[in-house]
Amino acid sequence: GQNIDQPTEMTATEGAIVQINCTYQTSGFNGLFWYQQHAGEAPTFLSYNVLDGLEEKGRFSSFLSRSKGYSYLLLKELQMKDSASYLCAVRDLSDSGYALNFGKGTSLLVTP
Amino acid sequence: GAVVSQHPSWVICKSGTSVKIECRSLDFQATTMFWYRQFPKQSLMLMATSNEGSKATYEQGVEKDKFLINHASLTLSTLTVTSAHPEDSSFYICSARVDGPRLNEQYFGPGTRLTVT
Repeated sequence: GQNIDQPTEMTATEGAIVQINCTYQTSGFNGLFWYQQHAGEAPTFLSYNVLDGLEEKGRFSSFLSRSKGYSYLLLKELQMKDSASYLCAVRDLSDSGYALNFGKGTSLLVTP
Repeated sequence: GAVVSQHPSWVICKSGTSVKIECRSLDFQATTMFWYRQFPKQSLMLMATSNEGSKATYEQGVEKDKFLINHASLTLSTLTVTSAHPEDSSFYICSARVDGPRLNEQYFGPGTRLTVT
């Protein structure tokens, strides 16, 4: 299994930038995913990193350092609708079927 | 994008009864599907990996006789919660992994909220 750690809660202001960190420990790393989940809904895919570096997709970017077991999700130009839980998930080669193992999630509150 | 549906979206049942939840990939084939459970304000916990045509693989601590999984076709997996108890009340979410070279693509269903009274 993996130990996946991310902050429980964060608060940021509309229009600002926020960085959500995730650290993990795994023996057979095969990719790191970020998902967004609004209350009572299923997670929606945001990003995927398997190589070191930054992946940019619109207002969202995700960074990975495999040697440090570290990733972050960067959200720019925050909007009120970005208030949600952000889940860091790691895929391990040892897990059957390429299942994802999720961290506890970071609840982000965007304030006016 | 790929769509995964779940049915029902919510269900209330009495303690001791069984409930079946369906997970369908609507526009792609999925040899592998996953079942997760999420309690309030907690993250998704993987329960089992469902493989078409073979037995499911259960995570440690998940009772295979209580949570029956059937993956009879490339587009449908079902989870049956047998002899449900109030502690089984939770949000059950399935995801389907796209077959072929698109292994990184995994799509979640909208979830099923189960309440056992």
